[in-house]
Amino acid sequence: KNEVEQSPQNLTAQEGEFITINCSYSVGISALHWLQQHPGGGIVSLFMLSSGKKKHGRLIATINIQEKHSSLHITASHPRDSAVYICAVRESGNEKLTFGTGTRLTIIP
Amino acid sequence: DGGITQSPKYLFRKEGQNVTLSCEQNLNHDAMYWYRQDPGQGLRLIYYSQIVNDFQKGDIAEGYSVSREKKESFPLTVTSAQKNPTAFYLCASSFSGGAYTGELFFGEGSRLTVL
Repeated sequence: KNEVEQSPQNLTAQEGEFITINCSYSVGISALHWLQQHPGGGIVSLFMLSSGKKKHGRLIATINIQEKHSSLHITASHPRDSAVYICAVRESGNEKLTFGTGTRLTIIP
Repeated sequence: DGGITQSPKYLFRKEGQNVTLSCEQNLNHDAMYWYRQDPGQGLRLIYYSQIVNDFQKGDIAEGYSVSREKKESFPLTVTSAQKNPTAFYLCASSFSGGAYTGELFFGEGSRLTVL
């Protein structure tokens, strides 16, 4: 059974700080997704990656396939980044995703 | 604008009633999914469909039913057989072709409360 673990579960930081959220998984995967869930409940896809690194604005996602680990970084954090960040992995050869329980990020002005 | 529309956003149900949650997408995606979210848990897959007129059970399909008569639509019925239906329900879609499944797009969710 594939397990997806995120750390930390909760993170509070001051505006401007560099943020790192981690995701570890236990099986071989074809892709990893980072998602952002806003307080209203809607979810937005931030990244889908299978190797290396991707960058979009202040967000950077990296993945190490050998170590079965991914990180999501936020540079120059802002209160509007406050949300729950969810990691999800797709097992190789499987259409289903396994989701982590999320990291609740709060950025204080 | 392309996207996924879920309705209703909030729904209250009496015990013993069936309710249907709507999910419509205009992204021309082949694959559609229904997830359930409970506090402190990751999203869990209820049903998914990769093509019209075909769908598969996910991890927690008991007490739920779906149909996929049109590519754009994937309604979820929460039946009276679902013992604990109070939850937040999310619909998603993606391109899907062979071994490739693309980026996920989610609706805004439907919050169901059983009174």
